[in-house]
Parts: sequence; structure tokens; C-alpha cells
Amino acid sequence: DAGVTQSPTHLIKTRGQQVTLRCSPKSGHDTVSWYQQALGQGPQFIFQYYEEEERQRGNFPDRFSGHQFPNYSSELNVNALLLGDSALYLCASSRPTSGSSYEQYFGPGTRLTVT
Amino acid sequence: AQSVTQPDIHITVSEGASLELRCNYSYGATPYLFWYVQSPGQGLQLLLKYFSGDTLVQGIKGFEAEFKRSQSSFNLRKPSVHWSDAAEYFCAVGALVYSGGGADGLTFGKGTHLIIQP
Repeated sequence: DAGVTQSPTHLIKTRGQQVTLRCSPKSGHDTVSWYQQALGQGPQFIFQYYEEEERQRGNFPDRFSGHQFPNYSSELNVNALLLGDSALYLCASSRPTSGSSYEQYFGPGTRLTVT
Repeated sequence: AQSVTQPDIHITVSEGASLELRCNYSYGATPYLFWYVQSPGQGLQLLLKYFSGDTLVQGIKGFEAEFKRSQSSFNLRKPSVHWSDAAEYFCAVGALVYSGGGADGLTFGKGTHLIIQP
């Protein structure tokens, strides 16, 4: 059973460009959350997708947008890249369950460098 | 707004010694609490989680954590550390807010970097 997969592993972009990161959730999971982890910091929640809709968003500008496909995979798009967008972008998936069985499974991340 | 504080940026422990990593949270709803570990260049691995019930929870790799509501704390412990425990440790808080199941986005602390001395 494959876990959460992300592509690409590393990416280098120039300021002002646009980037798309991809995530495939763990089998059986239908909810995808994206996090940004700057160097030396904890992950920060960007947004969460469920049933192909963004159902929750963290404190990130509109330059950050996403999409979820019918197969539950997801994309994170960042427009007009800034140097400060350089970070590890983590995708996490989960399934609709309550109580002690709930957890978010994280992928290995995509390292984005903006020059 | 919810927040998580990990007061110790770095902790150095001798191999075989005991370990305690501190975590304090602020959350308006009933919290769900997690500890994750991250090795260099890797994603996050869940060590343990607390939802309700017994306030002492056991996790993987010999870790345990104790939830203390009165102190808003969820400290991580291990009786004897191994060199392979050297990593970054993150405490996180969330809540199950959706009627169909599922939690909101997690709020993470800034992490504690654990160094193991031989």
C-alpha cells in the first residue's frame, strides 16, 4: 500500500514565475491538506481539500491556490513566486473518521527554491 | 486562535539517558494532540496521538506522552534514547470539526531539535 506521494522532489524557480506541486493521497483517503515548512520552522497549514472543494484555509494569500481531482489527488499552485516562498511543501492525507483512528499521513515533501 | 509552544529549540541528551520534550497548547475546542518526528530532508512521521480517555498515551519507538489539561501540556517522553532518535520533533494540535468526520488543519509548534551525545 503506497503512502502519500508527492512530485517533484525538488524544484527551482525564478521570482515571478508560477509553480504547480502534485500530491497523491494514501489509498482510501479522500482529504488532502497542504502545509508550508520554511527552513527551521514548523509546518504551517495552507489549505485543505475535501470532495473537490477547498473547505478550510490558513493565513496564506490568494497567490496560493489548489485543486482536488475526482481520484482525490491534489495540486498546489503558487503564482508570482517570491523569495519567501522557498520552503518544503508537505502534503497530508486523511480519511473521514472521528476519534482515535484519525490521523494525517504526510508525504516526503517537495523542496521549492525560488531564486 | 490556536497555538502551540515548544519552549526548547535544541535539547542535547546522552545516549541511554531519559528524554522529555515539552509542548504547551492553546485551543478553544477540545484538542486532538499529536507528536511527529522529522529526520533531515524527510516528511513527518506520527509518533503518537491523544484524543480522549487515558491521559498517558503510548506511541511507536518507545515514546509516550502525557496530556495534562490543567497545564495545557502534552509532553513527550522516552526512558532511554538511542542515537537513531536524533531528529526534529513537532507537537501539533487540531480538532475534529466536521460532522462527517475529519479534522481541521493542524497547528504545529516550531519544533525541538534533539541531539544525542555518544
